[in-house]
Amino acid sequence: EVQLVESGGGLVKPGGSLRLSCAASGFTFSSYSMNWVRQAPGKGLEWVSSISSSSSYIYYADSVKGRFTISRDNAKNSLYLQMNSLRAEDTAVYYCASEIAARTGDYWGQGTLVTVSS
Amino acid sequence: VIWMTQSPSLLSASTGDRVTISCRMSQGISSYLAWYQQKPGKAPELLIYAASTLQSGVPSRFSGSGSGTDFTLTISCLQSEDFATYYCQQYYSFPWTFGQGTKVEIK
Repeated sequence: EVQLVESGGGLVKPGGSLRLSCAASGFTFSSYSMNWVRQAPGKGLEWVSSISSSSSYIYYADSVKGRFTISRDNAKNSLYLQMNSLRAEDTAVYYCASEIAARTGDYWGQGTLVTVSS
Repeated sequence: VIWMTQSPSLLSASTGDRVTISCRMSQGISSYLAWYQQKPGKAPELLIYAASTLQSGVPSRFSGSGSGTDFTLTISCLQSEDFATYYCQQYYSFPWTFGQGTKVEIK
């Protein structure tokens, strides 16, 4: 069974940093691209970043480019999102999502809440 | 950036109804279109990808159609567990973009 478990969310002040993690199990993590998608409170879904299986290809939304860094450790079956220079508008639930059967997010974690507030 | 217009934003329906949700793209995306269901407080769940391919485990009352710029999600016989918010999403090119969502509520 595919499982994705996010962690690392919390309350951070504007300008601060946070590192999110996503632990994967139930599939061959190293073979598939992974993604981060976020959802601000009461709002719709927003794609944040994607990384290919070997980290050769990385993409970011313009809203986070230069501030967020996606990475992965295939030996640890883990995906990461380093978030720097956080802003109030980054407040959201952050989901990790795999691309196993479909070329888009097919399995999703339960999400981790990031709140940016002074 | 590929923009998408999802309609309607709110759909009131009864159990047993046939409902359709539309998604229109600002440019052609072939069949790189997915549909998700999201219930309050839960993560989105993939229903359909490649415009019409049912994700494993998804009931057959869900179906998708379309290609190019116009796409449709159909629920043939609405069940109580189908009251939720639905999103379309294009993955033809980065940045991936999502529709604004359609909330299906009980009439």
